[in-house]
Amino acid sequence: KNQVEQSPQSLIILEGKNCTLQCNYTVSPFSNLRWYKQDTGRGPVSLTIMTFSENTKSNGRYTATLDADTKQSSLHITASQLSDSASYICVASFFSGGYNKLIFGAGTRLAVHP
Amino acid sequence: DTGVSQDPRHKITKRGQNVTFRCDPISEHNRLYWYRQTLGQGPEFLTYFQNEAQLEKSRLLSDRFSAERPKGSFSTLEIQRTEQGDSAMYLCASADRSGANVLTFGAGSRLTVL
Repeated sequence: KNQVEQSPQSLIILEGKNCTLQCNYTVSPFSNLRWYKQDTGRGPVSLTIMTFSENTKSNGRYTATLDADTKQSSLHITASQLSDSASYICVASFFSGGYNKLIFGAGTRLAVHP
Repeated sequence: DTGVSQDPRHKITKRGQNVTFRCDPISEHNRLYWYRQTLGQGPEFLTYFQNEAQLEKSRLLSDRFSAERPKGSFSTLEIQRTEQGDSAMYLCASADRSGANVLTFGAGSRLTVL
């Protein structure tokens, strides 16, 4: 069964601290792995997208890693800011029926406190 | 505004009423998706259009749901005889023709069924 599991479900950190969010996926055939940021009441916004040949990709203070062998990904946030408070959703993509299909995780809700 | 637009942003209706949501994708995007998201969960796929053709519908999409994309531009999602379980955020996303299929999401339409 194609699925994406994220941990932790929620996380509270202090401003300026680092944190790492985890994602385990089971999709076949795997196409790419994406991380989205979703502010409350808004649609998700893409942070990174990685294919199986990419181990790491950065977008500012966000760094995503991918281990295609263990089917795990992580999103590391450095020097957190209050504006980082949001849900972070891991999305695994697989190719079927002529196009890439997406399986969304339930997200990790991050709260950054001053 | 060159993003994905959704209207209305919020809709409160009584059980049994019909509601319609509209999505205007990015103009050069030929792919359009509808997702449903409930609190604390990731988006769930509802349906996919490539140009004006509806290529896939989720089993989540009961007979009370219908989506159209006339002329391959804007799309509408109609829910007939709404039920309380239909209360959710309805997200629209569009993507261009490239293989990466990077989705750009709208801000969503939040439905509350009383």
